[in-house]
Amino acid sequence: AQKITQTQPGMFVQEKEAVTLDCTYDTSDPSYGLFWYKQPSSGEMIFLIYQGSYDQQNATEGRYSLNFQKARKSANLVISASQLGDSAMYFCAMRAQGEAGSYQLTFGKGTKLSVIP
Amino acid sequence: DSGVTQTPKHLITATGQRVTLRCSPRSGDLSVYWYQQSLDQGLQFLIHYYNGEERAKGNILERFSAQQFPDLHSELNLSSLELGDSALYFCASSLMDTSYNSPLHFGNGTRLTVT
Repeated sequence: AQKITQTQPGMFVQEKEAVTLDCTYDTSDPSYGLFWYKQPSSGEMIFLIYQGSYDQQNATEGRYSLNFQKARKSANLVISASQLGDSAMYFCAMRAQGEAGSYQLTFGKGTKLSVIP
Repeated sequence: DSGVTQTPKHLITATGQRVTLRCSPRSGDLSVYWYQQSLDQGLQFLIHYYNGEERAKGNILERFSAQQFPDLHSELNLSSLELGDSALYFCASSLMDTSYNSPLHFGNGTRLTVT
């Protein structure tokens, strides 16, 4: 079974600073994808960034980068130059075949990020 | 805009009632996934359909059922509603059902309140 662990229920960051949100995962599947989603207070789920299990380089998307350490089974999200609009819940998720072969996303419990002006 | 449409946005109903949540996936996507988000349980996978066929069940109660129609839209039916069913229900879609390297695209959710 897949498992995602996010150990930081809440984080604070000063505007314009960088912040790292932690994520560790567990799976027996050799092929998997790791995803980060942002959920603002309005409720929608916004896809941010993806990292594949076979990717050699860390993924980057604008101000978002993923620090992927396969041996440690970690996939931390780094947000650079934080903005007030980055205040939201952030979810780490994994997609793998799993026992049912369904490739559904398995989510962590999330980290609530608050950006301080 | 993810391209996934969920209706209604909000639903308020009483215990014991039955409701239907509707989802239209992104154009071209064949897979539809349903998730429930509650404060105590987080984001829980309920059920997955691919091209009209049920592919997998997660933590879905027997009082809940779903289907995917030939036009690929999906409906989640919740019956004999209880207070604990109050949650945000998401639909998500993807092109393939056997791919780990593409994201699921989420609708804006239906917020269900059971009183």
